[in-house]
Amino acid sequence: EAQVTQNPRYLITVTGKKLTVTCSQNMNHEYMSWYRQDPGLGLRQIYYSMNVEVTDKGDVPEGYKVSRKEKRNFPLILESPSPNQTSLYFCASSLGLAGGQVTQYFGPGTRLTVL
Amino acid sequence: RKEVEQDPGPFNVPEGATVAFNCTYSNSASQSFFWYRQDCRKEPKLLMSVYSSGNEDGRFTAQLNRASQYISLLIRDSKLSDSATYLCVYGGATNKLIFGTGTLLAVQP
Repeated sequence: EAQVTQNPRYLITVTGKKLTVTCSQNMNHEYMSWYRQDPGLGLRQIYYSMNVEVTDKGDVPEGYKVSRKEKRNFPLILESPSPNQTSLYFCASSLGLAGGQVTQYFGPGTRLTVL
Repeated sequence: RKEVEQDPGPFNVPEGATVAFNCTYSNSASQSFFWYRQDCRKEPKLLMSVYSSGNEDGRFTAQLNRASQYISLLIRDSKLSDSATYLCVYGGATNKLIFGTGTLLAVQP
């Protein structure tokens, strides 16, 4: 089954404790990205990657890191989480560039709470 | 001005009703437009792309008006299962999609 998986699905942590949210897709997609979704603000892009070893900042990259060592995986790293990073996070992948007529496939989401 | 503006709703409609959502966008250079559907606490899923000539998929019709910079979604014969948040999306710069905050639809029995 074609899918994007994320882990963990739910996480409660404390300020400053490093964490990683994993994302994996089995569709051989080049393009992957991370979004956060907050009430009243919609989905905002954090980082994206057009292929292995190619990553770039989205609209709200501060406080986040990513890596793309393999095509299928695109982990999101919070080196020192803060309460304002409490949010619902989605990983997404697509065949090509997001602006074109391509479908973005989203993972099920990770609900993160930083105390 | 927000890049994408949608009426947040909620739109409360009875089963069988026809309902329409509009969405305005700010970037006149945008080339690609979409409607995504998001169920409560779930991931967004593509409902349909929006083409210049307008397009229809069963009970759903999408229209694009470039002159006024808005797109619309029409749902005919609403079903209970149509209850969800509908996200207006367009392709901004080459590598990103711009999402609206969504319009909540609640179809009542």
